[in-house]
Amino acid sequence: AQRVTQPEKLLSVFKGAPVELKCNYSYSGSPELFWYVQYSRQRLQLLLRHISRESIKGFTADLNKGETSFHLKKPFAQEEDSAMYYCALSGYGGSQGNLIFGKGTKLSVKP
Amino acid sequence: DSGVTQTPKHLITATGQRVTLRCSPRSGDLSVYWYQQSLDQGLQFLIHYYNGEERAKGNILERFSAQQFPDLHSELNLSSLELGDSALYFCASSVAGDSGYSPLHFGNGTRLTVT
Repeated sequence: AQRVTQPEKLLSVFKGAPVELKCNYSYSGSPELFWYVQYSRQRLQLLLRHISRESIKGFTADLNKGETSFHLKKPFAQEEDSAMYYCALSGYGGSQGNLIFGKGTKLSVKP
Repeated sequence: DSGVTQTPKHLITATGQRVTLRCSPRSGDLSVYWYQQSLDQGLQFLIHYYNGEERAKGNILERFSAQQFPDLHSELNLSSLELGDSALYFCASSVAGDSGYSPLHFGNGTRLTVT
């Protein structure tokens, strides 16, 4: 079955520390993976798409097919990174908008 | 502002009732997606419409139905409501349909409370 697992509900780090939000997936084909972020009182929005291989707001994520992981990393966390982060996998009929989401990890960056 | 508008923001109703949630996509977006976010299940894809036609179904109950109108707004109808239907219902829109890629733009959601 297609599934996205985010093992940590809450991750708390100090400003300037490295951050890694874990995401593991289960998918039978070639996955399309995303990270979405929801800042306080804002809408859910796309942060990263694996196929783009880009860095957004200092965050990167590498797809590791061997470990079926797509961990989100940032070398130096900032307080404004505090938010809810969701890993998502494209599923259901091939459209890349039909996403399977993990349950999310709340990142708290302390001063 | 992403431009996706959902109404109402909050809805409180009783078990057994029927409600309609409305979504207006961003200007120019042809696809509308509905998601349900509950505490135990997280964010779950319900259904996708593209230019008025149903394109894909996810974990949508038979008591739930949706449609997309010629002006591209969409409605999600929830009937015979149960306590477990209490959740945040999100709508998202994108330009792309079945093929190609464009990012999803989410609305603020409708919080449904069934008492």
